[in-house]
Amino acid sequence: QKEVEQDPGPLSVPEGAIVSLNCTYSNSAFQYFMWYRQYSRKGPELLMYTYSSGNKEDGRFTAQVDKSSKYISLFIRDSQPSDSATYLCAMRAWDTGNQFYFGTGTSLTVIP
Amino acid sequence: DGGITQSPKYLFRKEGQNVTLSCEQNLNHDAMYWYRQDPGQGLRLIYYSQIVNDFQKGDIAEGYSVSREKKESFPLTVTSAQKNPTAFYLCASGLAGGPGDTQYFGPGTRLTVL
Repeated sequence: QKEVEQDPGPLSVPEGAIVSLNCTYSNSAFQYFMWYRQYSRKGPELLMYTYSSGNKEDGRFTAQVDKSSKYISLFIRDSQPSDSATYLCAMRAWDTGNQFYFGTGTSLTVIP
Repeated sequence: DGGITQSPKYLFRKEGQNVTLSCEQNLNHDAMYWYRQDPGQGLRLIYYSQIVNDFQKGDIAEGYSVSREKKESFPLTVTSAQKNPTAFYLCASGLAGGPGDTQYFGPGTRLTVL
């Protein structure tokens, strides 16, 4: 079983839709959670960084962590064509500061 | 501008040749990482370094080598021993642990073996 599971998609939505991207994980020691956006042929860029359970909001993006279910989500409100990209989740534990675990990425297309 | 630079953006290699990918950062980060990205496989860790003159193997280090002579630089050499080197290579840097640590990525180098 992989440490981090992420549905690869592809996911296609109309402009303005609410998008939900999800990852599950198996290691209960994970405490820090990240979402990256990667455009085609570019490096990933950090979108959201969260610690512990709960929600964190930044503009149209909301990151949600449910440690009891080992489940994290990224919500995109009012999706735009410029949101079309691959979204990667990543996480790490407190005592393995240099070991980050990544999902395989979900490909999202927002149709104008 | 602070950030991570990788060069070249595209690289072509003949079979049997070694090639070196450059990674430089001016973020004053202690930790640096090399990943390989293949379609459908996500990011796989090749090597990482927490401090100058020290580095550790990741999950797929065979056929690769690195050096860390300066804090700002972490070049990756893809040797002829790497059987399937065609991939997108990403360099990242971070704070080497602690609550605020995360990873920042460079723009990547696409290596193609001819």
